Amino acid sequence: GESVGLHLPTLSVQEGDNSIINCAYSNSASDYFIWYKQESGKGPQFIIDIRSNMDKRQGQRVTVLLNKTVKHLSLQIAATQPGDSAVYFCAENSGGFKTIFGAGTRLFVKA
Amino acid sequence: DAGVTQSPTHLIKTRGQQVTLRCSPKSGHDTVSWYQQALGQGPQFIFQYYEEEERQRGNFPDRFSGHQFPNYSSELNVNALLLGDSALYLCASSDGRGGYNQPQHFGDGTRLSIL
Repeated sequence: GESVGLHLPTLSVQEGDNSIINCAYSNSASDYFIWYKQESGKGPQFIIDIRSNMDKRQGQRVTVLLNKTVKHLSLQIAATQPGDSAVYFCAENSGGFKTIFGAGTRLFVKA
Repeated sequence: DAGVTQSPTHLIKTRGQQVTLRCSPKSGHDTVSWYQQALGQGPQFIFQYYEEEERQRGNFPDRFSGHQFPNYSSELNVNALLLGDSALYLCASSDGRGGYNQPQHFGDGTRLSIL
């Protein structure tokens, strides 16, 4: 069946370092991928998206990489700040209106 | 520019009761999706409404139903509540004119507790 999973449930990084959050997906028909950030008591916040015809997309301090060969997605956060501490979800769409979320990775930023 | 707003923020119900949750989409958005998020898990897609019709549904029983109004706001109704329905219910809106594969904007959810 469809699944979007994450390699690590928890990631701890030093303030100022770069963070890499990984995600594996199983549906080769997925054509749209999104990263969301969820802080405690809040709803998910859109960070960046990428379509399957791309392998890299950059935003402000964030980069998403898509490797369709191994069905892997990653989110890179440059110069991680305390405000980046949150749970990060990867999500996918596979040709419809249904978005499938992974279980999430909690990012801790140490000062 | 108001984002997605949901009401109420918290709700306590008992088993067997019925509940209605409400959502107003972000200004300019016409599509509303509902998600259930259990503690420590990712959101699970319930259904999506566009042009006042349910256009896709996730793996949820018929106890979960919804409605979209002409002003694009939406309601989620859950009947015959079970203990397992305790969760954060999230509403997300998007611009449906672009088809699928559009970024969604989420509200902060309604925390539903079933006793």
